Amino acid sequence: QQQVKQSPQSLIVQKGGISIINCAYENTAFDYFPWYQQFPGKGPALLIAIRPDVSEKKEGRFTISFNKSAKQFSLHIMDSQPGDSATYFCAAGSGNTGKLIFGQGTTLQVKP
Amino acid sequence: NAGVTQTPKFRILKIGQSMTLQCTQDMNHNYMYWYRQDPGMGLKLIYYSVGAGITDKGEVPNGYNVSRSTTEDFPLRLELAAPSQTSVYFCASSYGTNSYEQYFGPGTRLTVT
Repeated sequence: QQQVKQSPQSLIVQKGGISIINCAYENTAFDYFPWYQQFPGKGPALLIAIRPDVSEKKEGRFTISFNKSAKQFSLHIMDSQPGDSATYFCAAGSGNTGKLIFGQGTTLQVKP
Repeated sequence: NAGVTQTPKFRILKIGQSMTLQCTQDMNHNYMYWYRQDPGMGLKLIYYSVGAGITDKGEVPNGYNVSRSTTEDFPLRLELAAPSQTSVYFCASSYGTNSYEQYFGPGTRLTVT
């Protein structure tokens, strides 16, 4: 019940295309859903996050769509660029410890 | 601010050896975390701390120990290293109290042979 399932494992998109990564969770107590971006040899960094009281959040080319009834959320990267090539992790958190449960990760390659 | 720093960057251990991975943050964050990252498995929480003197187990604590004597430092101890502990280890910190954003260090790549 604590799992967060992420798909696809890898994704190849042409420059200018839309990248979509999906996550699903079971625990309805989760109240925070971030996406982290990780470049090779670096630690993950927060990209964008959403709370379950909204269905969508947009920051520049990055959008989170959240479906509370389906217990799913997704990351959309519009106008994907080669510089977006990285590994993306979804996560879910709850409670007052700040603990996060991470998905398995998606390796995105944007071809020029 | 240096943020979250980790040492060493790389280490090779022999089976049965012990070592301590160091983690320091200069952001005065209360909460700190240790993760391991294995290919295709995401990040798994090993231990976490919500303040000096307070630690608790995460998802995969076996074979590890932690301590938190100061706000800044959160070392991770590996006792009797095993090949299954070959991984990349990340330390992270956050303000806590309604702030879930975690700031990650650059990681330590550990190989146990």
